[in-house]
Amino acid sequence: EIVLTQSPATLSLSPGERATLSCRASQSVSSYLAWYQQKPGQAPRLLIYDTSNRATGIPARFSGSGSGTDFTLTISSLEPEDFAVYYCQQRSNWPHSFGQGTKLEIK
Amino acid sequence: EVQLVQSGAEVKKPGESLEISCKGSGYSFTDYWIGWVRQMPGKGLEWMGIIYPGDSDTRYSPSFQGQVTILADKSINTAYLQWSSLKASDSAMYYCARIPGLPRPGGFDPWGQGTLVTVSS
Repeated sequence: EIVLTQSPATLSLSPGERATLSCRASQSVSSYLAWYQQKPGQAPRLLIYDTSNRATGIPARFSGSGSGTDFTLTISSLEPEDFAVYYCQQRSNWPHSFGQGTKLEIK
Repeated sequence: EVQLVQSGAEVKKPGESLEISCKGSGYSFTDYWIGWVRQMPGKGLEWMGIIYPGDSDTRYSPSFQGQVTILADKSINTAYLQWSSLKASDSAMYYCARIPGLPRPGGFDPWGQGTLVTVSS
């Protein structure tokens, strides 16, 4: 079973700053890594699929990169609505595990 | 519009059985996997299992194997998550979500609105 480890657990930043979130896999997931955003009381929303592809309607300030075991979600300039919890997920191997999440909070 | 609509909140007693549902619309239901995700109060997302309605191929996380059953009825575009004997620790929000199979591109999108299950004596 592939374990995804996200860091940091909590990231405190101000609007306008750049956010860099990390996801490390216990073994290679090729490029099959997705990122989701979840706000309180809402279902998660797909942001990035297959490492670097933005989902429909996702702003260009969100970008993904990486390959193999190390992946990054970057938010170039934080907007107030970006403060939420972010999860990575792999679909390379069953089970399609999630990371434990990174909470992005307002500093 | 592609949509997944889940059944409503449930309140059950320990030992009771339960089935919750997830109905897809706006796409070919048999061409995508439907996965189930648990989120316990204040916690992260846990991948439970997944089914391909086209041929009922089903995969479970080892953590949930034997604890739940995932089914699909492609004639009515609906996937199900079943428990035969609920425990208090099954209290959580449960989401369904659609995903294409490899090598097609994609992730879990869309998600259902969630079904809150409360198990209490």
